[in-house]
Amino acid sequence: DTGVSQDPRHKITKRGQNVTFRCDPISEHNRLYWYRQTLGQGPEFLTYFQNEAQLEKSRLLSDRFSAERPKGSFSTLEIQRTEQGDSAMYLCASSNDRGSYEQYFGPGTRLTVT
Amino acid sequence: EDKVVQSPLSLVVHEGDTVTLNCSYEVTNFRSLLWYKQEKKAPTFLFMLTSSGIEKKSGRLSSILDKKELFSILNITATQTGDSAVYLCAVTIGPGGTSYGKLTFGQGTILTVHP
Repeated sequence: DTGVSQDPRHKITKRGQNVTFRCDPISEHNRLYWYRQTLGQGPEFLTYFQNEAQLEKSRLLSDRFSAERPKGSFSTLEIQRTEQGDSAMYLCASSNDRGSYEQYFGPGTRLTVT
Repeated sequence: EDKVVQSPLSLVVHEGDTVTLNCSYEVTNFRSLLWYKQEKKAPTFLFMLTSSGIEKKSGRLSSILDKKELFSILNITATQTGDSAVYLCAVTIGPGGTSYGKLTFGQGTILTVHP
């Protein structure tokens, strides 16, 4: 399957711990996006990359969140000192920057902070 | 601030009914509007609309965009129980604006189709 993949699919952690998620985009896509979705809401933009460059980070994103895409392929999203309010589904999407630009989503990582 | 509003928030119908979902938006430098279907997992892409008045169709689903009135509708005819899902609308903005590339989503419409 050549779709967007994310790992892990589920993560339960205690408040104060650090967590890291991984996203592998569709291979020919050079854009990669991270979103967060809480129950009953649409996904909310966090950050995105074009190749290895991080082009935008949401103003709502605290300094505890950091994302990397070191070789322009997979990306990681790290949350330091997790809080209960970080509990959500973290979605990754990818697209190309030619033609239609539609974004395709991975299955998501569901984070629960206890 | 960019804004996307969907209505209704929820809808319950019976199999065979036709439904119309609405999405209105206020963004600077609009580029495209996208519809996604979400069934307890990640959103799956349905349509992308960039030109006003041109209908996109896929089977029983169709969508159209009105760039003058800043809205889009998603129609589903002859609904089936498998159409039960959250339908999300999102917009992107074009080059020259801030936040080029990201999707700004509405809150979604929960569609429930009863047999």
